[in-house]
Amino acid sequence: SQTIHQWPATLVQPVGSPLSLECTVEGTSNPNLYWYRQAAGRGLQLLFYSVGIGQISSEVPQNLSASRPQDRQFILSSKKLLLSDSGFYLCAWSVQAYEQYFGPGTRLTVT
Amino acid sequence: GEDVEQSLFLSVREGDSSVINCTYTDSSSTYLYWYKQEPGAGLQLLTYIFSNMDMKQDQRLTVLLNKKDKHLSLRIADTQTGDSAIYFCAVGGATNKLIFGTGTLLAVQP
Repeated sequence: SQTIHQWPATLVQPVGSPLSLECTVEGTSNPNLYWYRQAAGRGLQLLFYSVGIGQISSEVPQNLSASRPQDRQFILSSKKLLLSDSGFYLCAWSVQAYEQYFGPGTRLTVT
Repeated sequence: GEDVEQSLFLSVREGDSSVINCTYTDSSSTYLYWYKQEPGAGLQLLTYIFSNMDMKQDQRLTVLLNKKDKHLSLRIADTQTGDSAIYFCAVGGATNKLIFGTGTLLAVQP
């Protein structure tokens, strides 16, 4: 069966510090991978998605970036965090254009 | 672009039925989903319906699709306190992306 992992589960970082969030998927090959942010207002904002290794589509211009160094690994990064980067970050995977399965999320607080 | 709308809040009494509604704009949406999010957790896929279906029932959950009005609903029978959560509607089809609604917070009163 497929599983999706995210770490860390929670993170508190000062403004201006770097960020690296990791997401890995097990039990499937060549999945589509997604990064979402959910702010306090609870809507989901799609940040990045990837249909293959090294293929990243950015949905929202910002100081975040994403990389996919391996088939089942998706990384969200920032060189310098802003206060507005605080939120709940969710990774998801799907097969082609079908339903997405979400990880447990990372709660990021930028202080 | 595609828009998916939901009411923000629904309150019901334990044992009653809950109906959560969703409207969408893209008539080419092929797959329609309902997700549940409990506090501090990721989204859990509850059920889905294809656009060539009008209804799907899965235990206490019933999904109704009115394709003409682009209206999707989720009915939860015999609502329990454990059903309290945020429910997201999502639609997809032509691209690799799903479009999510803003979520409906369901509060179940004992």
